[in-house]
Amino acid sequence: QKEVEQNSGPLSVPEGAIASLNCTYSDRGSQSFFWYRQYSGKSPELIMSIYSNGDKEDGRFTAQLNKASQYVSLLIRDSQPSDSATYLCAVKEGNTPLVFGKGTRLSVIA
Amino acid sequence: SAVISQKPSRDICQRGTSLTIQCQVDSQVTMMFWYRQQPGQSLTLIATANQGSEATYESGFVIDKFPISRPNLTFSTLTVSNMSPEDSSIYLCSVRRGRETQYFGPGTRLLVL
Repeated sequence: QKEVEQNSGPLSVPEGAIASLNCTYSDRGSQSFFWYRQYSGKSPELIMSIYSNGDKEDGRFTAQLNKASQYVSLLIRDSQPSDSATYLCAVKEGNTPLVFGKGTRLSVIA
Repeated sequence: SAVISQKPSRDICQRGTSLTIQCQVDSQVTMMFWYRQQPGQSLTLIATANQGSEATYESGFVIDKFPISRPNLTFSTLTVSNMSPEDSSIYLCSVRRGRETQYFGPGTRLLVL
């Protein structure tokens, strides 16, 4: 059974701080890793993908992958109240469907 | 990216009835999926919609309850049959273009009374 684990939160950070979201996965064959953002009442929106070990930066977002530790994280710099949402980690192997974690609820306090 | 539309966006249904949800994509995609998201929960995959053949269902989901069609590379339907209040959920169509990036439709909010 493939599992993706996330701390459900809520994770509260002050505006302007760095938010750090973490995810672990059980399947060592996983090859592709994604972070989705979901606002309340909306569908998930893809914000980052990462496929190889190391860091990948896109604006205020940085995804980090460590396959040896089966760990993927998302850093949000200069957090804004508009970043308040649930962040879903998803992984997949090859052409299989995405497996999602339960999500971490982030609250950015102004 | 992909532009995905779903109909209806929401519905209130009586128990014992069925509802068919439509998913339309703006261009051809390789894979289409149907997910369910119950209140406060994460996404659960119902099935992979296969073009021209029977859908591939995940454990706990069966064709009689959730029949799925995919007549072409841009369209799919999910029917929720013989509904009960436990079927109240958001149903999401998701598509993948190529092998990687997967996008979600806006969802259909279903309430069963």
